[in-house]
Amino acid sequence: DADVTQTPRNRITKTGKRIMLECSQTKGHDRMYWYRQDPGLGLRLIYYSFDVKDINKGEISDGYSVSRQAQAKFSLSLESAIPNQTALYFCATSDPGQGINEQFFGPGTRLTVL
Amino acid sequence: GENVEQHPSTLSVQEGDSAVIKCTYSDSASNYFPWYKQELGKGSQLIIDIRSNVGEKKDQRIAVTLNKTAKHFSLHITETQPEDSAVYFCAASISRGTSYDKVIFGPGTSLSVIP
Repeated sequence: DADVTQTPRNRITKTGKRIMLECSQTKGHDRMYWYRQDPGLGLRLIYYSFDVKDINKGEISDGYSVSRQAQAKFSLSLESAIPNQTALYFCATSDPGQGINEQFFGPGTRLTVL
Repeated sequence: GENVEQHPSTLSVQEGDSAVIKCTYSDSASNYFPWYKQELGKGSQLIIDIRSNVGEKKDQRIAVTLNKTAKHFSLHITETQPEDSAVYFCAASISRGTSYDKVIFGPGTSLSVIP
């Protein structure tokens, strides 16, 4: 069973369209994250959330917004997609109660903006 | 802020040989260094980590070393197998346990193990 799931897994869209990427988790973790992965740049943090009422910007939040609908759900939106948002997007969770900030990643969404 | 560099970006080794991936970090306050493995089509998974109070840690065929003075840390994989082929990410974090511990990832190394 996948603990962190993402939908869709692949998406091709056009410039200017609104896109929503969804993430669900069954790990019971309070903390959830959205990362973007680009070749040669690694994983960069877009937004993170410590609980339903706590949303924080990461290092590259411009052009993105998020919604934490429940402890288990964290969605990423691109209000008006542009080609340089073409990338792999990963959702992750963590449990600080374990003493380390181990990130548990979903399988990723490959987004292409034409 | 913290910056993590990683080398090489790509690495090919023959099955059975060793592989070494090196990372450097900029923030001397960083005290937790995890390594993640990303297999094709999957999310990254933690494979080993090291804290700043330890110089070396080993888990079967993988080991990590840390040089705090030089701000270097490395991943060593011995007796490589085809299933070790993946992208490997190093990361650095200031772990305080209670507050948000920002994790900064390196750009990744694509390892190919040739049978």
